[in-house]
Amino acid sequence: DTEVTQTPKHLVMGMTNKKSLKCEQHMGHRAMYWYKQKAKKPPELMFVYSYEKLSINESVPSRFSPECPNSSLLNLHLHALQPEDSALYLCASSQELRESYGELFFGEGSRLTVL
Amino acid sequence: AQKITQTQPGMFVQEKEAVTLDCTYDTSDQSYGLFWYKQPSSGEMIFLIYQGSYDEQNATEGRYSLNFQKARKSANLVISASQLGDSAMYFCAMREDSGNTPLVFGKGTRLSVIA
Repeated sequence: DTEVTQTPKHLVMGMTNKKSLKCEQHMGHRAMYWYKQKAKKPPELMFVYSYEKLSINESVPSRFSPECPNSSLLNLHLHALQPEDSALYLCASSQELRESYGELFFGEGSRLTVL
Repeated sequence: AQKITQTQPGMFVQEKEAVTLDCTYDTSDQSYGLFWYKQPSSGEMIFLIYQGSYDEQNATEGRYSLNFQKARKSANLVISASQLGDSAMYFCAMREDSGNTPLVFGKGTRLSVIA
Protein backbone atom coordinates (compact mmCIF):
# COMPACT_ATOMS: atom_id res chain seq x y z
CA ASP A 1 0.00 0.00 0.00
CA THR A 2 1.24 3.44 -0.92
CA GLU A 3 1.97 5.80 1.97
CA VAL A 4 0.87 8.78 -0.08
CA THR A 5 -2.90 8.84 -0.47
CA GLN A 6 -4.61 10.71 -3.28
CA THR A 7 -8.31 11.36 -3.71
CA PRO A 8 -10.26 11.06 -5.86
CA LYS A 9 -8.74 8.36 -8.02
CA HIS A 10 -10.86 9.44 -11.00
CA LEU A 11 -12.46 12.80 -11.71
CA VAL A 12 -14.55 13.97 -14.64
CA MET A 13 -15.33 17.66 -14.79
CA GLY A 14 -16.68 20.26 -17.15
CA MET A 15 -14.74 23.34 -18.17
CA THR A 16 -16.79 25.57 -15.86
CA ASN A 17 -16.54 23.36 -12.79
CA LYS A 18 -14.46 23.91 -9.67
CA LYS A 19 -12.96 20.81 -8.12
CA SER A 20 -10.03 19.84 -5.92
CA LEU A 21 -7.51 17.03 -5.79
CA LYS A 22 -6.28 16.00 -2.37
CA CYS A 23 -3.07 14.38 -1.19
CA GLU A 24 -2.06 13.19 2.26
CA GLN A 25 1.10 11.70 3.72
CA HIS A 26 1.95 10.71 7.28
CA MET A 27 5.65 9.99 6.90
CA GLY A 28 6.73 13.32 8.38
CA HIS A 29 8.07 14.45 5.04
CA ARG A 30 8.71 18.18 4.66
CA ALA A 31 8.52 18.41 0.87
CA MET A 32 5.42 17.69 -1.21
CA TYR A 33 5.02 17.81 -4.96
CA TRP A 34 2.40 17.90 -7.71
CA TYR A 35 3.25 16.34 -11.06
CA LYS A 36 1.20 16.18 -14.24
CA GLN A 37 1.59 13.19 -16.54
CA LYS A 38 0.16 12.89 -20.02
CA ALA A 39 -0.16 9.48 -21.66
CA LYS A 40 3.15 7.88 -22.66
CA LYS A 41 5.15 10.81 -21.25
CA PRO A 42 7.23 11.22 -18.08
CA PRO A 43 5.78 13.17 -15.16
CA GLU A 44 6.21 16.94 -15.38
CA LEU A 45 6.73 18.95 -12.24
CA MET A 46 4.05 21.53 -11.44
CA PHE A 47 4.54 22.71 -7.86
CA VAL A 48 6.72 21.98 -4.86
CA TYR A 49 6.03 22.87 -1.24
CA SER A 50 8.83 22.77 1.30
CA TYR A 51 7.98 23.27 4.97
CA GLU A 52 4.46 24.28 3.88
CA LYS A 53 5.74 27.12 1.70
CA LEU A 54 5.55 27.16 -2.07
CA SER A 55 9.12 26.69 -3.27
CA ILE A 56 8.75 25.91 -6.94
CA ASN A 57 6.06 26.89 -9.43
CA GLU A 58 6.92 25.65 -12.88
CA SER A 59 4.97 28.42 -14.69
CA VAL A 60 1.72 26.57 -14.27
CA PRO A 61 -1.45 28.36 -15.51
CA SER A 62 -3.46 30.06 -12.78
CA ARG A 63 -6.40 27.73 -13.34
CA PHE A 64 -4.35 25.33 -11.18
CA SER A 65 -4.03 26.59 -7.62
CA PRO A 66 -2.06 24.63 -5.02
CA GLU A 67 -2.61 24.80 -1.30
CA CYS A 68 -0.73 23.26 1.62
CA PRO A 69 -2.96 23.52 4.72
CA ASN A 70 -0.45 21.67 6.91
CA SER A 71 2.63 19.51 6.65
CA SER A 72 0.62 16.38 5.82
CA LEU A 73 -1.82 17.73 3.28
CA LEU A 74 -1.50 19.09 -0.22
CA ASN A 75 -4.43 20.20 -2.36
CA LEU A 76 -4.69 21.17 -5.99
CA HIS A 77 -7.68 23.38 -6.76
CA LEU A 78 -8.96 23.24 -10.32
CA HIS A 79 -11.04 25.92 -12.02
CA ALA A 80 -11.97 26.62 -15.64
CA LEU A 81 -9.81 23.80 -16.96
CA GLN A 82 -9.38 22.96 -20.62
CA PRO A 83 -9.70 19.52 -22.25
CA GLU A 84 -5.91 19.47 -22.73
CA ASP A 85 -5.56 19.48 -18.94
CA SER A 86 -6.85 15.92 -18.92
CA ALA A 87 -4.02 13.85 -17.45
CA LEU A 88 -2.85 11.80 -14.49
CA TYR A 89 -1.99 14.07 -11.57
CA LEU A 90 0.57 12.57 -9.23
CA CYS A 91 1.33 13.74 -5.72
CA ALA A 92 4.66 12.89 -4.12
CA SER A 93 6.56 13.59 -0.93
CA SER A 94 10.15 13.38 0.28
CA GLN A 95 12.06 14.02 3.50
CA GLU A 96 13.51 17.25 2.26
CA LEU A 97 13.48 19.26 -0.96
CA ARG A 98 17.14 19.76 -1.64
CA GLU A 99 18.87 16.47 -1.10
CA SER A 100 20.14 14.10 -3.72
CA TYR A 101 19.75 10.86 -1.82
CA GLY A 102 16.11 10.67 -0.79
CA GLU A 103 13.57 9.10 -3.05
CA LEU A 104 10.21 10.64 -3.78
CA PHE A 105 7.23 8.59 -2.63
CA PHE A 106 4.34 8.82 -5.06
CA GLY A 107 0.63 8.35 -4.64
CA GLU A 108 -1.47 6.32 -7.05
CA GLY A 109 -2.52 9.43 -8.90
CA SER A 110 -5.79 11.14 -9.75
CA ARG A 111 -6.91 10.59 -13.31
CA LEU A 112 -8.60 13.76 -14.51
CA THR A 113 -10.83 14.08 -17.56
CA VAL A 114 -12.01 17.52 -18.62
CA LEU A 115 -15.02 17.55 -20.94
CA ALA B 1 20.06 19.33 -23.29
CA GLN B 2 18.42 16.28 -21.81
CA LYS B 3 19.64 15.40 -18.36
CA ILE B 4 18.37 11.82 -18.46
CA THR B 5 18.37 9.78 -21.65
CA GLN B 6 16.59 6.49 -22.07
CA THR B 7 17.15 5.32 -25.62
CA GLN B 8 14.86 2.28 -25.60
CA PRO B 9 11.18 3.26 -26.01
CA GLY B 10 10.16 -0.39 -25.74
CA MET B 11 11.73 -3.70 -24.79
CA PHE B 12 10.56 -7.30 -24.85
CA VAL B 13 11.92 -10.05 -22.64
CA GLN B 14 11.06 -13.69 -22.19
CA GLU B 15 9.76 -14.71 -18.77
CA LYS B 16 12.59 -15.85 -16.43
CA GLU B 17 15.24 -14.13 -18.54
CA ALA B 18 17.28 -11.08 -17.46
CA VAL B 19 16.87 -7.69 -19.12
CA THR B 20 18.88 -4.46 -19.04
CA LEU B 21 17.22 -1.07 -19.36
CA ASP B 22 19.61 1.70 -20.39
CA CYS B 23 19.97 5.11 -18.80
CA THR B 24 22.58 7.81 -19.30
CA TYR B 25 22.65 11.11 -17.47
CA ASP B 26 24.27 14.50 -17.66
CA THR B 27 25.30 16.57 -14.67
CA SER B 28 28.16 18.74 -13.53
CA ASP B 29 27.33 18.16 -9.87
CA GLN B 30 29.62 15.97 -7.78
CA SER B 31 26.76 14.93 -5.52
CA TYR B 32 23.68 13.43 -7.11
CA GLY B 33 21.36 10.46 -6.83
CA LEU B 34 20.02 8.15 -9.50
CA PHE B 35 16.68 6.40 -9.18
CA TRP B 36 14.60 3.91 -11.07
CA TYR B 37 10.81 3.91 -10.85
CA LYS B 38 8.29 1.41 -12.21
CA GLN B 39 4.89 2.59 -13.38
CA PRO B 40 2.31 -0.13 -14.09
CA SER B 41 -0.85 0.68 -16.02
CA SER B 42 -2.59 1.58 -12.76
CA GLY B 43 -0.51 4.77 -12.68
CA GLU B 44 1.36 4.59 -9.39
CA MET B 45 5.10 5.37 -9.54
CA ILE B 46 6.87 2.65 -7.57
CA PHE B 47 10.40 3.30 -6.34
CA LEU B 48 12.73 0.43 -7.22
CA ILE B 49 16.34 1.29 -6.53
CA TYR B 50 18.72 4.14 -5.70
CA GLN B 51 22.39 4.80 -6.45
CA GLY B 52 24.33 7.65 -4.91
CA SER B 53 27.11 9.33 -6.84
CA TYR B 54 29.60 8.52 -4.08
CA ASP B 55 28.55 4.89 -3.71
CA GLU B 56 31.37 2.65 -4.85
CA GLN B 57 29.29 -0.49 -5.06
CA ASN B 58 26.41 -1.06 -7.43
CA ALA B 59 23.04 -0.97 -5.71
CA THR B 60 20.95 -4.13 -5.52
CA GLU B 61 17.37 -4.67 -4.33
CA GLY B 62 16.11 -8.20 -4.76
CA ARG B 63 15.84 -8.92 -8.49
CA TYR B 64 16.86 -5.35 -9.35
CA SER B 65 20.43 -4.18 -9.68
CA LEU B 66 21.87 -0.97 -10.96
CA ASN B 67 24.94 -1.10 -13.18
CA PHE B 68 26.56 2.23 -12.29
CA GLN B 69 29.42 3.40 -14.50
CA LYS B 70 30.26 6.86 -13.26
CA ALA B 71 32.89 7.74 -15.87
CA ARG B 72 30.45 6.87 -18.65
CA LYS B 73 27.56 8.53 -16.79
CA SER B 74 25.37 5.51 -17.14
CA ALA B 75 23.02 3.86 -14.64
CA ASN B 76 21.44 0.86 -16.28
CA LEU B 77 18.77 -1.18 -14.51
CA VAL B 78 19.12 -4.95 -14.63
CA ILE B 79 16.07 -7.06 -13.84
CA SER B 80 16.87 -10.71 -13.30
CA ALA B 81 14.42 -13.61 -13.70
CA SER B 82 11.72 -11.47 -15.33
CA GLN B 83 8.13 -12.06 -14.30
CA LEU B 84 4.90 -11.22 -16.10
CA GLY B 85 4.20 -8.65 -13.39
CA ASP B 86 7.33 -6.75 -14.43
CA SER B 87 5.52 -5.52 -17.54
CA ALA B 88 5.32 -1.77 -17.01
CA MET B 89 6.87 1.58 -17.86
CA TYR B 90 10.27 2.15 -16.27
CA PHE B 91 11.66 5.63 -15.61
CA CYS B 92 15.23 6.55 -14.78
CA ALA B 93 15.50 9.75 -12.74
CA MET B 94 18.11 11.97 -11.12
CA ARG B 95 18.29 14.36 -8.19
CA GLU B 96 21.11 16.88 -7.97
CA ASP B 97 22.16 18.68 -4.81
CA SER B 98 22.29 21.99 -6.63
CA GLY B 99 19.55 21.39 -9.18
CA ASN B 100 16.40 23.47 -9.37
CA THR B 101 14.25 20.54 -10.36
CA PRO B 102 13.83 18.05 -7.51
CA LEU B 103 13.65 14.97 -9.72
CA VAL B 104 14.38 14.87 -13.44
CA PHE B 105 12.87 11.94 -15.34
CA GLY B 106 13.89 10.27 -18.55
CA LYS B 107 11.26 9.52 -21.18
CA GLY B 108 10.85 5.97 -20.00
CA THR B 109 11.10 2.47 -21.39
CA ARG B 110 8.07 0.23 -21.76
CA LEU B 111 8.99 -3.32 -20.81
CA SER B 112 6.84 -6.22 -21.94
CA VAL B 113 7.46 -9.66 -20.46
CA ILE B 114 6.39 -12.53 -22.69
CA ALA B 115 5.31 -15.91 -21.34
